[in-house]
Amino acid sequence: GDSVTQMEGPVTLSEEAFLTINCTYTATGYPSLFWYVQYPGEGLQLLLKATKADDKGSNKGFEATYRKETTSFHLEKGSVQVSDSAVYFCALMDTGRRALTFGSGTRLQVQP
Amino acid sequence: SQTIHQWPATLVQPVGSPLSLECTVEGTSNPNLYWYRQAAGRGLQLLFYSVGIGQISSEVPQNLSASRPQDRQFILSSKKLLLSDSGFYLCAWSAGTTNTGELFFGEGSRLTVL
Repeated sequence: GDSVTQMEGPVTLSEEAFLTINCTYTATGYPSLFWYVQYPGEGLQLLLKATKADDKGSNKGFEATYRKETTSFHLEKGSVQVSDSAVYFCALMDTGRRALTFGSGTRLQVQP
Repeated sequence: SQTIHQWPATLVQPVGSPLSLECTVEGTSNPNLYWYRQAAGRGLQLLFYSVGIGQISSEVPQNLSASRPQDRQFILSSKKLLLSDSGFYLCAWSAGTTNTGELFFGEGSRLTVL
């Protein structure tokens, strides 16, 4: 079945540091890939997505590139801010499915 | 605009008691509806999803059931709660026709079974 594997957290960074959160996936079809974010005290919300190989999703300074050859969708940001502190979830939606499969989430803590 | 309401926000129940969590969506028609459970260290686990009234897909065998009595209403139930049912339950919806994969989540319901 489908699955998503994320690096374990928490990830602790200083403000303006470079961020990478690794995500790899297993799917039977040609999935769309997503990053969702959960800020403290809030619900999950879509951060970015990519629907086919080599697509790059981007939003709020975050980027992720759909790499079919390595089955990966790593999240990156060049300079994090304290306000980026949240839990980040990688997810996929496989061909013909109507539901998302989520990873376990990675907590990011950014210190001033 | 579309909104999603989920209640109750918190619930403390004894083992063996029944459960009913309710979710309603406003401002859209024919949504796909979902129940997820978020457990510590285990991420989001899909429990049920529905593409229409009376149509429920169950992802994992368990002590829970779901129903969709109306187009924009989704209910999560149990006849007898187990300790292992404790967790944070999230309702979500997505557009039924376009289904881009973008889910809109409710605020969640925290269930503690004692």
